This record gives sequence, C-alpha cells and structure tokens, in this order.
Amino acid sequence: GAVVSQHPSWVICKSGTSVKIECRSLDFQATTMFWYRQFPKQSLMLMATSNEGSKATYEQGVEKDKFLINHASLTLSTLTVTSAHPEDSSFYICSAEGGANYGYTFGSGTRLTVV
Amino acid sequence: DAKTTQPNSMESNEEEPVHLPCNHSTISGTDYIHWYRQLPSQGPEYVIHGLTSNVNNRMASLAIAEDRKSSTLILHRATLRDAAVYYCILGSGNQAGTALIFGKGTTLSVSS
Repeated sequence: GAVVSQHPSWVICKSGTSVKIECRSLDFQATTMFWYRQFPKQSLMLMATSNEGSKATYEQGVEKDKFLINHASLTLSTLTVTSAHPEDSSFYICSAEGGANYGYTFGSGTRLTVV
Repeated sequence: DAKTTQPNSMESNEEEPVHLPCNHSTISGTDYIHWYRQLPSQGPEYVIHGLTSNVNNRMASLAIAEDRKSSTLILHRATLRDAAVYYCILGSGNQAGTALIFGKGTTLSVSS
C-alpha cells in the first residue's frame, strides 16, 4: 500500500533556531502534499498545500516566511520552521495525495518542542 | 467547505459492535465520505471511504443513507486497539489537489 515516511518523529530545539521536517512518499509519486499541525486535544489544522515544482499555497493566518515549504521532487516535501519559538511547539503531520490504494496517505507526524 | 457533525465521544466494550454516526446534510453530489482514525501521537490512518453505496473492507463497514445526508461507520468487533479519534470528512471527488479538512471527530473509548 501507499506509505508516507515523515522524519524526524520528534525534535527538541532551542528558541530562535530552525528545524526541517521531511515527508517522503516511498512507493508512489505525490504531485500534491499537505502540511497540518495539531495542538494538544485539538484536531488537525491545514497549514499549506504543496505542489511539486511550484510555490506552496498557505492557509489564512499561516506565515509563509516562517513555515518554509519546498516540494522539489515528486517524492519529497520539506517543512522548515524558521526562528522557532515555544508557541510553535506542536505536532506536525504531512499527507500525500496519490498512491495505488487510496487518495490520501498521512505521515506518522513530528512532535516539535521548542525550549 | 462541506461540514460534518459527529458526537464528541462514544464508549464501547471489547468485542462488541460499534456504530459511529456522522451527519453531513450539506453534502454535494460529488462529495465522497471519508473516515480516518487517529491513535495518540500518530498520524491519521485511512479507514474507509464511499460515495453512494455501502462499503466493506477488512477494517470496517460504511453504511450510507439513501439521501446521503448521514452515514455510519461500523466496527464489527471492537478491540482495545480501536480506541482512537474517528474523523468523518467530506472530500470532493473531482478536485485533485484539495486537502481533507478535519473536524473534531469522535473519541472512541473501548473497555475490556
């Protein structure tokens, strides 16, 4: 079946530093990938839609200069949280559209803690 | 975006069937009904999806009302591993590149 690998599964970083999260589709090509974040006891919130070879489309209220998204190939999208602050601590989840079985496959998530 | 309404929480006993309801009265003709579940500290996992007819797979069954304004996810024999948040989501079937928008979902508790 379709598999999306997300790395790292967790990361702790100091305030002011940047963190990169990778999302790879392992056995299919994903023209479109999506990035969500989830705060404790809340649902997933869509941050942005990433299309291979073009600029990402960000949801209202999401700072594009803070959350840099790159989708340089059909199997890899990255999310970089720049100048991270404690309020950016959250669970970040990617999703890829495509694959043999079904349209949407999710990564296992990245727990970001900014101290 | 088309919206869904689900109960905040439900409880079940192990090895009993569970029926998780979802209302989607504003569903359009091309909207698919998707069900995902999320275990703690994990990404969402696909459960089942359908358009008009009832669907069965190894995980669950999806019963769709004739007017498509509601649906029910059926877990035939709940196990402790089925304790999760279940999301019912409407997604357009003819718009590639459109993200799934998650509501609050139903938190299912399973007791032994």
